[in-house]
Amino acid sequence: QVQLVQSGAEVKKPGASVKVSCKASGYTFSKYYMHWVRQAPGQGLEWMGIINPSGDSTSYAQKFQGRVTMTRDTSTSTLYMELSSLRSEDTAVYYCASPWQPDHPDHDVWGQGTLVTVSS
Amino acid sequence: EIVLTQSPGTLSLSPGERATLSCRASQSVASSYLAWYQQKPGQALRLLIYGASSRATGIPDRFSGSGSGTDFTLTISRLEPEDFAVYYCQQFGSSPPGLLTFGGGTKVEIK
Repeated sequence: QVQLVQSGAEVKKPGASVKVSCKASGYTFSKYYMHWVRQAPGQGLEWMGIINPSGDSTSYAQKFQGRVTMTRDTSTSTLYMELSSLRSEDTAVYYCASPWQPDHPDHDVWGQGTLVTVSS
Repeated sequence: EIVLTQSPGTLSLSPGERATLSCRASQSVASSYLAWYQQKPGQALRLLIYGASSRATGIPDRFSGSGSGTDFTLTISRLEPEDFAVYYCQQFGSSPPGLLTFGGGTKVEIK
């Protein structure tokens, strides 16, 4: 079964960092780009960034530049996203995804989401 | 950066009715890079339509997509109880590379 299973909910204080994991199974993890997308409570979807299949190239949304780091471990088929200097506005559900692309429209996988709450 | 604007924000309809959801782009979008997703509480996002008009695997034929340029439409021909959800249009950008842009969403609720 093709799936992405994310780590559990986190509660962090302002200024702290959080690291969310996302484990892939059922497909060749090392073949596909991976993304992180977040959704604040009651809000829409916001793209955070992308990491290439080999993990040696990333591209981040300008809003998160300098605060986010995306990595992947192909030996364990696990993706990571670390967000630092947390503030209350970072409270959101964070999703990992291996979304469709025109050259592989049949491959579209999303994690179940990880709630990160930032509160003092 | 391309902005996707969805309308209406909320659509109140009854089961069996037709739903028409709009997605307008701030500049022309390649149809091959436009998709529609469904989101239900506590569930992973579900791809419905890719390439503006192609149904993803396993998606019922009551879902259809159309449009080109700056105007795209998702139509649900006859709403089933499980179709009440939030729908997002999405497109791939290039600056930065890999950018995903989403519309603000349309909530389809039971009238």
